[in-house]
Amino acid sequence: GDSVTQTEGQVTVSESKSLIINCTYSATSIGYPNLFWYVRYPGEGLQLLLKVITAGQKGSSRGFEATYNKEATSFHLQKASVQESDSAVYYCALSDRGNMGYKLTFGTGTSLLVDP
Amino acid sequence: DPKIIQKPKYLVAVTGSEKILICEQYLGHNAMYWYRQSAKKPLEFMFSYSYQKLMDNQTASSRFQPQSSKKNHLDLQITALKPDDSATYFCASSQDWGNYAEQFFGPGTRLTVL
Repeated sequence: GDSVTQTEGQVTVSESKSLIINCTYSATSIGYPNLFWYVRYPGEGLQLLLKVITAGQKGSSRGFEATYNKEATSFHLQKASVQESDSAVYYCALSDRGNMGYKLTFGTGTSLLVDP
Repeated sequence: DPKIIQKPKYLVAVTGSEKILICEQYLGHNAMYWYRQSAKKPLEFMFSYSYQKLMDNQTASSRFQPQSSKKNHLDLQITALKPDDSATYFCASSQDWGNYAEQFFGPGTRLTVL
């Protein structure tokens, strides 16, 4: 079946420093999946941060970027300068064309703590 | 105002009991979903509904039964609770089912089974 791997469970970064959260995936459908980053701020539901549906393209939102790398099957999340308000849990996810795109498969999430 | 309401926020139950998790969405969406996240595991898809009809069930156990009394409601009844059912349960909705429609999530209900 489909799977998403996030290797870091928790990351601590000082404010204004750069960030990278790793995500790799495996999708079983013919072709390639849609890729997403979701974020959950304390006390809130998951929110879509960004999505990319075309291999080779980059998505961006709120200063975060992620590039769909089909060859490496990766979709790493990056930010050049983090802020304390970015502290949250970040989830990489995919939807597979094989199931019409309604089912999201998630990674285990990466908890980001930004030190002021 | 919150657009997807889940009640209660926290729930403690004893083994063998039955509980209902409530989900209401005020986004005017036609599709709703349940996901579950157990400790140290990814969010896991459980059910999807479209216009109050079950579209997909990927939960092996019949102890989990979704109930849709209105188009914007999708409750989750869990019977004969087990400690392994302890998890945070997330409700989600999208404008339509399929076609990669963006899913919006509620804040979750954290269930602990003793």
